[in-house]
Amino acid sequence: EVQLVESGGGLVQPGRSMKLSCAASGFTFSNYGMAWVRQAPTKGLEWVATISYDGSSTYYRDSVKGRFTISRDNAKSTLYLQMNSLRSEDTATYYCTRGASYYPYWGQGTLVTVSS
Amino acid sequence: DTVLTQSPALAVSPGERVTISCRASESVSTLMHWYQQKPGQQPTLLIYLASNLESGVPARFSGSGSGTDFTLTIDPVEADDTATYYCQQSWNDPTFGGGTKLELK
Repeated sequence: EVQLVESGGGLVQPGRSMKLSCAASGFTFSNYGMAWVRQAPTKGLEWVATISYDGSSTYYRDSVKGRFTISRDNAKSTLYLQMNSLRSEDTATYYCTRGASYYPYWGQGTLVTVSS
Repeated sequence: DTVLTQSPALAVSPGERVTISCRASESVSTLMHWYQQKPGQQPTLLIYLASNLESGVPARFSGSGSGTDFTLTIDPVEADDTATYYCQQSWNDPTFGGGTKLELK
């Protein structure tokens, strides 16, 4: 059974950093592209970043370029999202997803709240 | 970015047929996908590449379209289908529609 379990969310002050993790199991992690998708409270879904199966290629939405970094450790079957210079508009539930174009598997999400 | 436009809400009676539309601001070929999200839960994939039913999804769900106009059909609708439905394109940087909230009368 495919499982994606996010961790690392919480309350953070504007301008500070936070790192999210996603532990994957039930499939060969190193064979798949992965992505982060977020959802602000009561809002719709928003793609954040994608990483290729081997980590050689990364893609970001414009609003997070230069502030967020997606990475992976295939030996640990873990996906990461390093978030720097956080803003109030980054407040959202962050979902880890499997897939580079569409997303058959989603984690349960981790809530990031950016507030002073 | 490719903008995806969905109607915000629909209300139907159980047993009826419902169509949920999604219009893209530019052609995305058939690189369109549909998700269901129930309150407090993560989204689940229903349809990929416009018309392919994801494994385990009831055959009541179907998708169609190409280019800029796409449709998700549920026939017949059941009470458990109360949810918000999102379209998503992968022609370029992924974008999602604003979601259509389906309510049952």
